[in-house]
Amino acid sequence: ILNVEQSPQSLHVQEGDSTNFTCSFPSSNFYALHWYRWETAKSPEALFVMTLNGDEKKKGRISATLNTKEGYSYLYIKGSQPEDSATYLCAFPKAAGNKLTFGGGTRVLVKP
Amino acid sequence: GAGVSQSPRYKVAKRGQDVALRCDPISGHVSLFWYQQALGQGPEFLTYFQNEAQLDKSGLPSDRFFAERPEGSVSTLKIQRTQQEDSAVYLCASSGTDRGRDSNQPQHFGDGTRLSIL
Repeated sequence: ILNVEQSPQSLHVQEGDSTNFTCSFPSSNFYALHWYRWETAKSPEALFVMTLNGDEKKKGRISATLNTKEGYSYLYIKGSQPEDSATYLCAFPKAAGNKLTFGGGTRVLVKP
Repeated sequence: GAGVSQSPRYKVAKRGQDVALRCDPISGHVSLFWYQQALGQGPEFLTYFQNEAQLDKSGLPSDRFFAERPEGSVSTLKIQRTQQEDSAVYLCASSGTDRGRDSNQPQHFGDGTRLSIL
Protein backbone atom coordinates (compact mmCIF):
# COMPACT_ATOMS: atom_id res chain seq x y z
CA ILE A 1 0.00 0.00 0.00
CA LEU A 2 1.51 3.30 -1.10
CA ASN A 3 -1.41 5.54 -0.23
CA VAL A 4 -4.45 5.52 1.99
CA GLU A 5 -7.36 3.38 0.82
CA GLN A 6 -10.82 3.05 2.31
CA SER A 7 -13.43 0.41 1.67
CA PRO A 8 -16.21 0.22 0.92
CA GLN A 9 -16.81 3.55 -0.81
CA SER A 10 -20.37 3.62 0.41
CA LEU A 11 -22.56 1.72 2.82
CA HIS A 12 -26.31 1.59 3.45
CA VAL A 13 -27.18 0.50 6.98
CA GLN A 14 -30.55 -0.11 8.57
CA GLU A 15 -31.18 1.91 11.72
CA GLY A 16 -30.16 -0.14 14.75
CA ASP A 17 -27.71 -2.35 12.86
CA SER A 18 -23.99 -2.26 13.51
CA THR A 19 -21.42 -1.80 10.79
CA ASN A 20 -17.71 -1.44 10.21
CA PHE A 21 -15.36 -0.36 7.45
CA THR A 22 -11.66 -0.31 6.71
CA CYS A 23 -8.77 2.07 6.22
CA SER A 24 -5.51 0.70 4.78
CA PHE A 25 -2.30 2.69 4.95
CA PRO A 26 1.47 2.24 4.42
CA SER A 27 2.87 0.19 7.31
CA SER A 28 6.35 1.71 7.09
CA ASN A 29 7.26 5.05 8.74
CA PHE A 30 4.08 5.15 10.77
CA TYR A 31 3.36 8.33 12.75
CA ALA A 32 -0.36 8.34 13.41
CA LEU A 33 -3.74 7.53 11.90
CA HIS A 34 -6.58 10.06 11.99
CA TRP A 35 -10.33 9.45 11.63
CA TYR A 36 -12.72 12.27 10.74
CA ARG A 37 -16.50 12.41 10.28
CA TRP A 38 -17.82 14.79 7.64
CA GLU A 39 -21.54 15.47 7.61
CA THR A 40 -23.10 17.21 4.65
CA ALA A 41 -22.91 21.03 4.86
CA LYS A 42 -20.71 20.86 7.95
CA SER A 43 -16.97 20.82 8.61
CA PRO A 44 -14.99 17.59 9.04
CA GLU A 45 -14.90 16.68 12.72
CA ALA A 46 -12.02 14.81 14.33
CA LEU A 47 -13.04 11.46 15.83
CA PHE A 48 -9.77 9.81 16.78
CA VAL A 49 -6.02 10.13 16.44
CA MET A 50 -4.41 6.74 16.93
CA THR A 51 -0.71 6.21 17.44
CA LEU A 52 -0.04 2.81 19.05
CA ASN A 53 -0.28 -0.63 17.50
CA GLY A 54 -3.23 -2.45 19.04
CA ASP A 55 -4.78 0.82 20.16
CA GLU A 56 -8.54 0.89 20.51
CA LYS A 57 -10.48 4.13 20.96
CA LYS A 58 -14.15 4.75 21.63
CA LYS A 59 -16.45 7.74 21.38
CA GLY A 60 -20.06 6.93 22.20
CA ARG A 61 -21.23 4.23 19.78
CA ILE A 62 -18.21 4.66 17.51
CA SER A 63 -14.93 2.83 18.08
CA ALA A 64 -11.75 2.23 16.14
CA THR A 65 -8.88 -0.24 16.21
CA LEU A 66 -5.37 0.04 14.81
CA ASN A 67 -2.88 -2.48 13.41
CA THR A 68 0.29 -0.65 12.40
CA LYS A 69 2.22 -3.80 11.47
CA GLU A 70 -0.20 -4.80 8.75
CA GLY A 71 -1.33 -1.26 7.98
CA TYR A 72 -5.06 -1.16 8.66
CA SER A 73 -7.62 0.41 10.95
CA TYR A 74 -11.28 -0.52 11.41
CA LEU A 75 -14.01 1.90 12.41
CA TYR A 76 -17.12 0.42 14.01
CA ILE A 77 -20.53 1.97 14.52
CA LYS A 78 -22.74 0.11 16.99
CA GLY A 79 -26.51 0.44 16.74
CA SER A 80 -26.44 2.91 13.82
CA GLN A 81 -28.68 5.96 14.03
CA PRO A 82 -29.71 8.37 11.23
CA GLU A 83 -27.41 11.02 12.71
CA ASP A 84 -24.47 8.71 11.98
CA SER A 85 -25.02 9.33 8.27
CA ALA A 86 -21.83 11.01 7.06
CA THR A 87 -18.63 10.43 5.14
CA TYR A 88 -15.93 8.91 7.33
CA LEU A 89 -12.39 9.83 6.33
CA CYS A 90 -9.13 8.35 7.51
CA ALA A 91 -5.87 10.24 7.05
CA PHE A 92 -2.21 9.46 7.43
CA PRO A 93 0.64 11.93 8.01
CA LYS A 94 3.53 10.87 5.77
CA ALA A 95 6.12 12.73 7.76
CA ALA A 96 6.58 13.98 11.29
CA GLY A 97 4.58 17.07 10.46
CA ASN A 98 0.85 16.95 10.09
CA LYS A 99 0.45 17.13 6.32
CA LEU A 100 -2.33 14.58 5.94
CA THR A 101 -2.94 12.14 3.11
CA PHE A 102 -6.61 11.23 3.08
CA GLY A 103 -8.41 8.17 1.86
CA GLY A 104 -11.38 8.54 -0.44
CA GLY A 105 -13.81 8.13 2.43
CA THR A 106 -16.62 5.73 3.26
CA ARG A 107 -20.03 7.30 2.80
CA VAL A 108 -22.48 5.86 5.35
CA LEU A 109 -26.24 6.26 4.96
CA VAL A 110 -28.37 5.04 7.85
CA LYS A 111 -31.94 4.31 6.79
CA PRO A 112 -34.74 4.68 9.36
CA GLY B 1 -16.71 32.13 16.95
CA ALA B 2 -14.43 29.48 18.37
CA GLY B 3 -13.98 27.42 15.22
CA VAL B 4 -12.21 27.82 11.89
CA SER B 5 -14.08 30.25 9.67
CA GLN B 6 -13.93 30.24 5.88
CA SER B 7 -15.41 32.67 3.41
CA PRO B 8 -17.13 32.73 1.09
CA ARG B 9 -19.06 29.45 1.52
CA TYR B 10 -19.82 29.36 -2.19
CA LYS B 11 -18.07 31.06 -5.08
CA VAL B 12 -18.99 30.95 -8.73
CA ALA B 13 -16.53 32.45 -11.20
CA LYS B 14 -16.08 32.47 -14.93
CA ARG B 15 -13.09 30.71 -16.42
CA GLY B 16 -10.14 33.07 -16.47
CA GLN B 17 -11.18 35.13 -13.46
CA ASP B 18 -9.09 35.39 -10.30
CA VAL B 19 -10.56 34.28 -6.96
CA ALA B 20 -9.51 34.71 -3.33
CA LEU B 21 -10.57 32.39 -0.53
CA ARG B 22 -10.20 33.36 3.10
CA CYS B 23 -9.49 31.30 6.20
CA ASP B 24 -9.65 32.55 9.77
CA PRO B 25 -8.14 29.84 12.00
CA ILE B 26 -8.76 29.20 15.66
CA SER B 27 -7.12 32.01 17.62
CA GLY B 28 -3.59 31.13 18.65
CA HIS B 29 -3.25 28.12 16.38
CA VAL B 30 0.24 27.90 14.96
CA SER B 31 -0.31 25.53 12.04
CA LEU B 32 -2.62 26.20 9.10
CA PHE B 33 -3.35 23.86 6.19
CA TRP B 34 -5.19 24.16 2.90
CA TYR B 35 -6.73 21.11 1.21
CA GLN B 36 -8.60 20.67 -2.07
CA GLN B 37 -11.43 18.15 -2.33
CA ALA B 38 -12.64 17.18 -5.78
CA LEU B 39 -16.03 15.54 -6.15
CA GLY B 40 -16.04 11.94 -4.96
CA GLN B 41 -12.50 12.04 -3.62
CA GLY B 42 -10.81 12.65 -0.29
CA PRO B 43 -9.19 16.01 0.49
CA GLU B 44 -5.72 16.54 -0.97
CA PHE B 45 -3.03 18.62 0.66
CA LEU B 46 -2.17 21.95 -0.95
CA THR B 47 0.01 23.93 1.44
CA TYR B 48 1.05 24.38 5.08
CA PHE B 49 1.96 27.40 7.22
CA GLN B 50 3.63 27.54 10.59
CA ASN B 51 2.77 31.01 11.83
CA GLU B 52 3.53 33.29 8.85
CA ALA B 53 6.05 30.95 7.25
CA GLN B 54 4.89 28.80 4.34
CA LEU B 55 6.85 25.64 5.07
CA ASP B 56 5.36 23.35 2.45
CA LYS B 57 3.64 24.24 -0.82
CA SER B 58 4.31 20.96 -2.57
CA GLY B 59 0.61 20.28 -3.15
CA LEU B 60 -0.20 23.46 -5.07
CA PRO B 61 -1.18 22.16 -8.52
CA SER B 62 0.25 25.02 -10.57
CA ASP B 63 1.80 28.46 -10.34
CA ARG B 64 -1.72 29.87 -10.65
CA PHE B 65 -2.22 28.95 -7.00
CA PHE B 66 -0.78 31.22 -4.33
CA ALA B 67 -1.31 31.26 -0.56
CA GLU B 68 -0.25 33.69 2.14
CA ARG B 69 -0.56 34.22 5.88
CA PRO B 70 1.25 37.52 6.38
CA GLU B 71 0.59 38.04 10.09
CA GLY B 72 0.43 34.43 11.16
CA SER B 73 -3.34 34.36 11.59
CA VAL B 74 -5.73 34.84 8.64
CA SER B 75 -4.73 33.10 5.42
CA THR B 76 -5.78 33.70 1.83
CA LEU B 77 -5.66 31.19 -1.01
CA LYS B 78 -5.63 32.91 -4.38
CA ILE B 79 -6.23 31.22 -7.71
CA GLN B 80 -5.38 33.21 -10.83
CA ARG B 81 -6.84 32.65 -14.28
CA THR B 82 -9.20 29.96 -12.99
CA GLN B 83 -9.83 26.81 -15.02
CA GLN B 84 -12.74 24.39 -14.87
CA GLU B 85 -10.56 21.77 -13.19
CA ASP B 86 -10.17 24.17 -10.23
CA SER B 87 -13.80 23.49 -9.31
CA ALA B 88 -13.67 21.82 -5.91
CA VAL B 89 -14.24 22.32 -2.21
CA TYR B 90 -11.32 24.12 -0.57
CA LEU B 91 -10.86 23.25 3.08
CA CYS B 92 -8.79 25.11 5.63
CA ALA B 93 -7.64 23.49 8.87
CA SER B 94 -5.63 24.63 11.87
CA SER B 95 -3.91 22.96 14.77
CA GLY B 96 -2.35 24.40 17.86
CA THR B 97 0.92 22.57 18.25
CA ASP B 98 4.38 23.15 16.93
CA ARG B 99 5.69 21.05 14.07
CA GLY B 100 7.49 18.48 16.16
CA ARG B 101 4.37 16.93 17.61
CA ASP B 102 1.94 17.74 14.82
CA SER B 103 1.34 14.13 13.77
CA ASN B 104 -0.54 13.34 16.97
CA GLN B 105 -2.82 16.35 16.93
CA PRO B 106 -6.20 16.44 15.22
CA GLN B 107 -6.85 19.20 12.74
CA HIS B 108 -9.79 21.56 13.13
CA PHE B 109 -11.53 22.22 9.84
CA GLY B 110 -13.68 25.02 8.51
CA ASP B 111 -16.86 24.42 6.53
CA GLY B 112 -14.97 24.88 3.26
CA THR B 113 -15.48 27.06 0.20
CA ARG B 114 -17.24 25.39 -2.71
CA LEU B 115 -15.75 26.87 -5.87
CA SER B 116 -17.47 26.41 -9.21
CA ILE B 117 -15.79 27.60 -12.40
CA LEU B 118 -18.11 28.07 -15.36
